[in-house]
Amino acid sequence: KNQVEQSPQSLIILEGKNCTLQCNYTVSPFSNLRWYKQDTGRGPVSLTIMTFSENTKSNGRYTATLDADTKQSSLHITASQLSDSASYICVVRGDSSYKLIFGSGTRLLVRP
Amino acid sequence: GAVVSQHPSWVICKSGTSVKIECRSLDFQATTMFWYRQFPKQSLMLMATSNEGSKATYEQGVEKDKFLINHASLTLSTLTVTSAHPEDSSFYICSARESLSGGLSYEQYFGPGTRLTVT
Repeated sequence: KNQVEQSPQSLIILEGKNCTLQCNYTVSPFSNLRWYKQDTGRGPVSLTIMTFSENTKSNGRYTATLDADTKQSSLHITASQLSDSASYICVVRGDSSYKLIFGSGTRLLVRP
Repeated sequence: GAVVSQHPSWVICKSGTSVKIECRSLDFQATTMFWYRQFPKQSLMLMATSNEGSKATYEQGVEKDKFLINHASLTLSTLTVTSAHPEDSSFYICSARESLSGGLSYEQYFGPGTRLTVT
């Protein structure tokens, strides 16, 4: 069964600190993996999208990694800001379907 | 960048009435639009996929007669919740997949969501 699992479920960090969110997937065949940021009451906003051949991709203070062999991805946030408080969702697209498979998300709270 | 809008951003309606939610791709054409529902502290759940000019494809367990979807143009899809009940209260999000010459983009762009509350 195609699944996407994220950890931790929630995370609290102090402003300025770094953190890493994890995503494991069992989707096969695999097309691409995306990380989205979703603020409360808003739609998801794309942070990164990686294909099979990409190992890392950065978007400002966000850096995503992908290991297609172990089917793991991580999202690293550097020098966190209060505005980083949101849900971060890992989403995988299989190769033969347009459908996206969503993880349950990690709720991040950045405290001053 | 590609922008998807939704209207309204929030709506309150009485039980038994119908409510329509619009999803528009503002600066690109979208052959395919998707409708999702999200309950508090849960991830997005795909409800249906709509292709311009054809009938929508509904996910298992989603009542097509209750959630009417119309995709009449390449920039507009609508979701109508008919005879709404309190359990239909949720956050509804649409996304649009850009149509490119020579093929389809694999990128989906999400709208800001519509909060529906049925009293």
